[in-house]
Amino acid sequence: RKEVEQDPGPFNVPEGATVAFNCTYSNSASQSFFWYRQDCRKEPKLLMSVYSSGNEDGRFTAQLNRASQYISLLIRDSKLSDSATYLCVVNMNTGFQKLVFGTGTRLLVSP
Amino acid sequence: DADVTQTPRNRITKTGKRIMLECSQTKGHDRMYWYRQDPGLGLQLIYYSFDVKDINKGEISDGYSVSRQAQAKFSLSLESAIPNQTALYFCATSDPGHLNNEQFFGPGTRLTVL
Repeated sequence: RKEVEQDPGPFNVPEGATVAFNCTYSNSASQSFFWYRQDCRKEPKLLMSVYSSGNEDGRFTAQLNRASQYISLLIRDSKLSDSATYLCVVNMNTGFQKLVFGTGTRLLVSP
Repeated sequence: DADVTQTPRNRITKTGKRIMLECSQTKGHDRMYWYRQDPGLGLQLIYYSFDVKDINKGEISDGYSVSRQAQAKFSLSLESAIPNQTALYFCATSDPGHLNNEQFFGPGTRLTVL
């Protein structure tokens, strides 16, 4: 089983739609969780952290379910500029805080 | 100016050649990393360094070596390049005191080995 698994997509949605991505992780001892965004042929950038209580940043909501070991990202009112690949990232909480990256879920928002 | 820079941005080389990828950062971070990214795979850690005197192997270090010349510089070398090392290579930095352990990535080097 992969340490971090995501549906690769692509998810094709119209502007204004709500879309959700899920991610599962294998290490129950993992402590920190993140969503990174990667535009085509560009470097990944931190989108938001995922907290146990759930957190929201504008149109983006991230949630964590420790019992089921999954993380979600909800994007409301999708914009064309949201088109990108979204990487689920887990801090494995090893001695050096290793980050494990999922393969990413590709989102395409169309007019 | 970008905080993390990589040179070259693109490189085509032949099997057996030695090649060096360079990374520089102005963020003042002690921790630096080298990753490779292949289609359909997540970022894979090649090497990481916590300071100038600390170098550690990542998941896929075979065929690679690194040098931490200074706090701001971390180079990745392929001593004898092979075609399956064709990939997108990213350098990253982080500050252990940062709340999220956020990693800041360079723009990447696209390497093709023929």
